[in-house]
Amino acid sequence: AQKITQTQPGMFVQEKEAVTLDCTYDTSDQSYGLFWYKQPSSGEMIFLIYQGSYDEQNATEGRYSLNFQKARKSANLVISASQLGDSAMYFCAMEAGNNDMRFGAGTRLTVKP
Amino acid sequence: EAQVTQNPRYLITVTGKKLTVTCSQNMNHEYMSWYRQDPGLGLRQIYYSMNVEVTDKGDVPEGYKVSRKEKRNFPLILESPSPNQTSLYFCASSLWATGQNTEAFFGQGTRLTVV
Repeated sequence: AQKITQTQPGMFVQEKEAVTLDCTYDTSDQSYGLFWYKQPSSGEMIFLIYQGSYDEQNATEGRYSLNFQKARKSANLVISASQLGDSAMYFCAMEAGNNDMRFGAGTRLTVKP
Repeated sequence: EAQVTQNPRYLITVTGKKLTVTCSQNMNHEYMSWYRQDPGLGLRQIYYSMNVEVTDKGDVPEGYKVSRKEKRNFPLILESPSPNQTSLYFCASSLWATGQNTEAFFGQGTRLTVV
């Protein structure tokens, strides 16, 4: 069975600093995808970044990067130069097998001015 | 504009009164799914569909029904809602593929309260 674990219910970071949000996963599939989504207080789900299991390089999208460590089954999200607008819930998700996407419990990030 | 549209956005209903939350996507995606979001639990999958007339249970299907008669629509039906179904519901769609960026596009969410 697939499982996603986010062990940090809440995180604080000072504006302009970098922050790492943890995510570990468990699957027996060889081909899978890892995703991060942001949910601001308005409620919508915003796609941030994707990493495929066969991708050799870590994914990057602007200030977001995914620290993919396949042997450790971790897919941590790194946000560089935090901004006040980064305050939100962040969800790690994995798609494997029959396209079934599973989500972690989420991490609430608060950026302090 | 590519989008997933859910209706209604907010709904308060009484126990036992049947309701339907509609979901429609305009991206010709094969895969659609429903999630409920509860504090501390993240998003849990209720049902998913890999194509027309193909639906399957997710992690928390009890008390819900779905149908996929057309590719673009995937309604969520609560035949007899109960207070433990009070939650924030999301519909999502994506391409059906493996080994590719099958980014899920989400609707705006439906906040359901059952009293």
